[in-house]
Parts: sequence; structure tokens; C-alpha cells
Amino acid sequence: SQQGEEDPQALSIQEGENATMNCSYKTSINNLQWYRQNSGRGLVHLILIRSNEREKHSGRLRVTLDTSKKSSSLLITASRAADTASYFCATGDNAGGTSYGKLTFGQGTILTVHP
Amino acid sequence: EAQVTQNPRYLITVTGKKLTVTCSQNMNHEYMSWYRQDPGLGLRQIYYSMNVEVTDKGDVPEGYKVSRKEKRNFPLILESPSPNQTSLYFCASSRGQWAKPNSPLHFGNGTRLTVT
Repeated sequence: SQQGEEDPQALSIQEGENATMNCSYKTSINNLQWYRQNSGRGLVHLILIRSNEREKHSGRLRVTLDTSKKSSSLLITASRAADTASYFCATGDNAGGTSYGKLTFGQGTILTVHP
Repeated sequence: EAQVTQNPRYLITVTGKKLTVTCSQNMNHEYMSWYRQDPGLGLRQIYYSMNVEVTDKGDVPEGYKVSRKEKRNFPLILESPSPNQTSLYFCASSRGQWAKPNSPLHFGNGTRLTVT
């Protein structure tokens, strides 16, 4: 599997419900970021969590990071129809050298929130 | 307004006809990068640049060229496009990667390229 794989690939929920998306990765990371993409548009940065952090909040978003399991989760609480989008995790490589500063993206989770 | 501007948004061309996709950012960012997005493959990095006159290959550089003569501009050049380069392309930038590794990326709105 690839670095930064999201699960599930697609998620369909009703407005008001919580949405949880997971991301797994393979190598040592410097940080992990979550991005959102509305259909066919550019990605928008949501939140960054560093490798020494375990949880971070931003508004209705809650991100956790478990470096021992090499996994992260993104929770969107009280979802809205406007949250419908694709969500990507991206891992920042900690290997140094030419990969310093490189972000590797997963394939994303398509979230659909029904009104 | 801080932004990354790509042009054109849509481009249809024929095999072998050289083309350039422009990218410009107004945030004085040192780091710039090009990605392509394909169904089932996610975002893959084509080339990136740590600073002016410094460029390096990403994961899928074959068939592409870039240049970084000025800090704000990072054009993507396809010397001889082929149908397998049909894709959605994104330019992105962020603050200096040396001082602040993996700073959040700011993306352009994308260029949808079709090569027939």
C-alpha cells in the first residue's frame, strides 16, 4: 500500500452526523496534514499535526495521530452539506536528504453529506 | 489576496505540440511544486523547487520540464505532450522548506489538460 492511505475510500452520511476518516502511513514522518478538495478544485489545507503531538482541534475538526500505529484520523463533527468534498492526508517525510520537505498524498476519502 | 494562479484552467491540445502551463504566487514563497491528479492514483509530484534556480524531480518527472528563474513563477513545460499526460495539474507553494519543513501548501485551482 502507499504512504498516506485513507480509509474509507467513500463515506456517505446525513447532515448532523459525525464523519471519521482514517489515514495510515509507512515511514517515519515529520508531520501529517489534512487537506480538503472540492470537486475539481485545488486542495485547501485544513490542519497540521506534528509527530510529537497526539491530538489537535480546529473548529469542528479533530485530528489524532498515533505514531506507534502509523495512523491518523480526521473527525468532522456535526457535519453539514457544505462539508461534501474529498479529504486527503499528506505525510511529511522525516528521512532527510532529497526527500526533506516533500509531502506525499494519499488517494483521499470522498465524503458526501446529505441534507 | 494571497493566491497561487495557474493558467490556463482548461487546455486541449494534440500529441507533440509543445505547451506551457504557467504558475505564479504572490506570497513570496520559496517552495513551489507541481502535482498531477489522476483517478485512483491520487496526487503525484512531478517537480519541485526549493528556491530560485533550484529544481528537482518528484515522483513522475518524465515528459515534463520546469524552470524557476524568478521566485514567484514556476512554469510547467511539456515539450512533446502525449495522451498519457492527460490529467488535472496543480501548482502549489509554501514557505521555505529548509527553515520550516513541510509547511502547509497553497494550491492553485488546477489546469485540466487533454492531449488527443
